[in-house]
Amino acid sequence: LAKTTQPISMDSYEGQEVNITCSHNNIATNDYITWYQQFPSQGPRFIIQGYKTKVTNEVASLFIPADRKSSTLSLPRVSLSDTAVYYCLVAPEYEGFKTIFGAGTRLFVKA
Amino acid sequence: DTGVSQNPRHKITKRGQNVTFRCDPISEHNRLYWYRQTLGQGPEFLTYFQNEAQLEKSRLLSDRFSAERPKGSFSTLEIQRTEQGDSAMYLCASSLRSSGNTDTQYFGPGTRLTVL
Repeated sequence: LAKTTQPISMDSYEGQEVNITCSHNNIATNDYITWYQQFPSQGPRFIIQGYKTKVTNEVASLFIPADRKSSTLSLPRVSLSDTAVYYCLVAPEYEGFKTIFGAGTRLFVKA
Repeated sequence: DTGVSQNPRHKITKRGQNVTFRCDPISEHNRLYWYRQTLGQGPEFLTYFQNEAQLEKSRLLSDRFSAERPKGSFSTLEIQRTEQGDSAMYLCASSLRSSGNTDTQYFGPGTRLTVL
């Protein structure tokens, strides 16, 4: 099972773009990369998922280089409400039960 | 709101008592997962169901824990003879396993268990 490594914490200011990078050196061919956001006392919320290159939705962008050994979650123009823990996960396409959560990255957005 | 609901949201119990939690997944989802999360850590996988069949169970899961998903709809997680170390947030997630889509999990709000 692929393991992920991401920074423990990051600070930012309102209006800035935030990039959180995750390493997954042992990613397998059929693994997808998924990012979740979690606020205190709530369940994780799906943000974005990708396999290669770039994926963008209304919330974030996900950049995946050709070797897929890392990925970067990009949050444009963060606000105070983006303060949360962000988890990078790697799991096979049809085997979500193999998802392993690490400790995540605690993003703190300041005014 | 992801469409996954969990009840109760909070449970306080005394050590040695049994507790049961309920999860109602998104209606068309055929997979259901249980996780446990302690303060400062990411969710830890406990078990999962595909329809009514329990297909995977963590080796870390004590025999005091049991889960069911009758008729492949809602699920219950029971903890017998609770211990203080069982205090945690218990999260439920559901997903749709079908061709053409990845197994993306959608989480409920969790049940916070406190064992005194």
